[in-house]
Amino acid sequence: AQTIHQWPVAEIKAVGSPLSLGCTIKGKSSPNLYWYWQATGGTLQQLFYSITVGQVESVVQLNLSASRPKDDQFILSTEKLLLSHSGFYLCAWRDIYEQYFGPGTRLTVL
Amino acid sequence: GQQVQQSPASLVLQEGENAELQCNFSSTATQLQWFYQRPGGSLVSLLYNPSGTKHTGRLTSTTVTKERRSSLHISSSQITDSGTYFCAMTDSNYQLIWGSGTKLIIKP
Repeated sequence: AQTIHQWPVAEIKAVGSPLSLGCTIKGKSSPNLYWYWQATGGTLQQLFYSITVGQVESVVQLNLSASRPKDDQFILSTEKLLLSHSGFYLCAWRDIYEQYFGPGTRLTVL
Repeated sequence: GQQVQQSPASLVLQEGENAELQCNFSSTATQLQWFYQRPGGSLVSLLYNPSGTKHTGRLTSTTVTKERRSSLHISSSQITDSGTYFCAMTDSNYQLIWGSGTKLIIKP
């Protein structure tokens, strides 16, 4: 069975500080991976997707970047956080037409 | 662009009542999926239902592709069913187009 992990579970960071969020999927070879962001009480906004190692497509950047360093790993990062980056970050993988989500990382920027 | 609309925006029911959630989409190519999100939690895939009727536990989804609509029926609602329900359709680029969600509150 496939499992998807995200780290950290939660972060409290200062404006202007760097950020790195991680996502790992096990049990699935060459998965299509996605990063989403959700403001508190809001709907989901797709940020990036990747279909293979080293290849990332941007949907909405929000002053963030993403990388796919390994087949099973997807990283979301920025060098300088903004207050508007606060929210819930979700990683997902796709199985044909269905998507499955990780537990998420809650980010608070102060 | 393709759109997904959900109704109602919120729904308050007594425990034991049935809930009916609606999803309307702009394209006949649906690949529709229903998700559940607990307050402060992640998204759980409930049902993938591109057409017809599908059941899992107390959940029933009916998708009528030519009418561009899908419904999610929750029978005998429980307090733990409270949360937000999203429908989403997969577009031709395999990206999910999301509805704005229905917030369900089940009262004891």
